[in-house]
Amino acid sequence: GAVVSQHPSWVICKSGTSVKIECRSLDFQATTMFWYRQFPKQSLMLMATSNEGSKATYEQGVEKDKFLINHASLTLSTLTVTSAHPEDSSFYICSARDGQGRAEAFFGQGTRLTVV
Amino acid sequence: GQNIDQPTEMTATEGAIVQINCTYQTSGFNGLFWYQQHAGEAPTFLSYNVLDGLEEKGRFSSFLSRSKGYSYLLLKELQMKDSASYLCAPRPGAAGNKLTFGGGTRVLVKP
Repeated sequence: GAVVSQHPSWVICKSGTSVKIECRSLDFQATTMFWYRQFPKQSLMLMATSNEGSKATYEQGVEKDKFLINHASLTLSTLTVTSAHPEDSSFYICSARDGQGRAEAFFGQGTRLTVV
Repeated sequence: GQNIDQPTEMTATEGAIVQINCTYQTSGFNGLFWYQQHAGEAPTFLSYNVLDGLEEKGRFSSFLSRSKGYSYLLLKELQMKDSASYLCAPRPGAAGNKLTFGGGTRVLVKP
């Protein structure tokens, strides 16, 4: 159990366009989801925490208008990178926690975004 | 906020033992996670310590001392496939849900 599916696994887009990344919990209800980005050889940097049905809480320095997060249901959260620039190229990973007694969060496979 | 400190890199030989230390400061404390991440992949859960002491899980063990703000991950009988980054993540009390990671320790296992 505890499978988190992230889609797409990789995407190439042109500068100025928007990209949507989906994160689904397949066999549990995710009350909390986290979005991270990771640059090569660096650790995971938390971008935002989202709880189902409420607005996401963004970390300092993360532009909420640029990285739109929607946690519309207990099994789906989406991250939309708007007006993408080459510096947004990174590895984006989501994770989910079920809030049913298991403390650990489970991670999606990650999405490698390349903006050209 | 949180302050998490781990060594950046460690090298060890196949079959050996390696101990990865993590010191932390958090606002409140609700346990500490260790995750393993292979290059280009998502992290996978290794352990979660809430109480002081050592918890053993096969070749991997994790230790916690809450009073010292200190944890370590012990990898025994190292295998080549253990070459990965190991991430320490204390779970804060007040913030509850937040899951932030230290810089991670890159372990390289040599034959």
